[in-house]
Amino acid sequence: SQTIHQWPATLVQPVGSPLSLECTVEGTSNPNLYWYRQAAGRGLQLLFYSIGIDQISSEVPQNLSASRPQDRQFILSSKKLLLSDSGFYLCAWSINMNTEAFFGQGTRLTVV
Amino acid sequence: DQQVKQNSPSLSVQEGRISILNCDYTNSMFDYFLWYKKYPAEGPTFLISISSIKDKNEDGRFTVFLNKSAKHLSLHIVPSQPGDSAVYFCAATRSGAGSYQLTFGKGTKLSVIP
Repeated sequence: SQTIHQWPATLVQPVGSPLSLECTVEGTSNPNLYWYRQAAGRGLQLLFYSIGIDQISSEVPQNLSASRPQDRQFILSSKKLLLSDSGFYLCAWSINMNTEAFFGQGTRLTVV
Repeated sequence: DQQVKQNSPSLSVQEGRISILNCDYTNSMFDYFLWYKKYPAEGPTFLISISSIKDKNEDGRFTVFLNKSAKHLSLHIVPSQPGDSAVYFCAATRSGAGSYQLTFGKGTKLSVIP
């Protein structure tokens, strides 16, 4: 069966520090991978999606970047965090574009 | 512009009664709709979906209704249970090449009162 792992679960980082959140998927090949953010009072906003290794699309301009160095690994990064980067970050995968997406447990990021 | 709207941020229902969560969308290109359930500090879990070729899909206690002309869908939970208390997200997407994005609403927090 397929599983998705996302870590860390919580993170407190100072403003200006770098960020690296990692997500891996097991039990499937060539999944579509996604990074979402849920900010306070908002829904789930798609940040990045990837249909293959080194193929990343950004949905909104921001202080973040994503990379997919391996088929089942998706990394969310920032060189310098801003206070506004605080939120709940979710990694997800899907088999193809129009099926349901399966989410990881999320990372609660607090930038102080 | 918010393409998927859940206008009720919260809903309280007595245990055993019906919970009805509503969702409206504006993009007529959307043809596949999903409901997710989310507990605090966890990722959303998929509940049920419906294609635009249908107007109803049922799975146990959960039924989703789609009214394409009104661009409206709803999730019915019958009977409601305390364990159903969570935030419910409506999501929509469109078929076809190049469409990867699930567009989510802001969610409705359901509280089922024992």
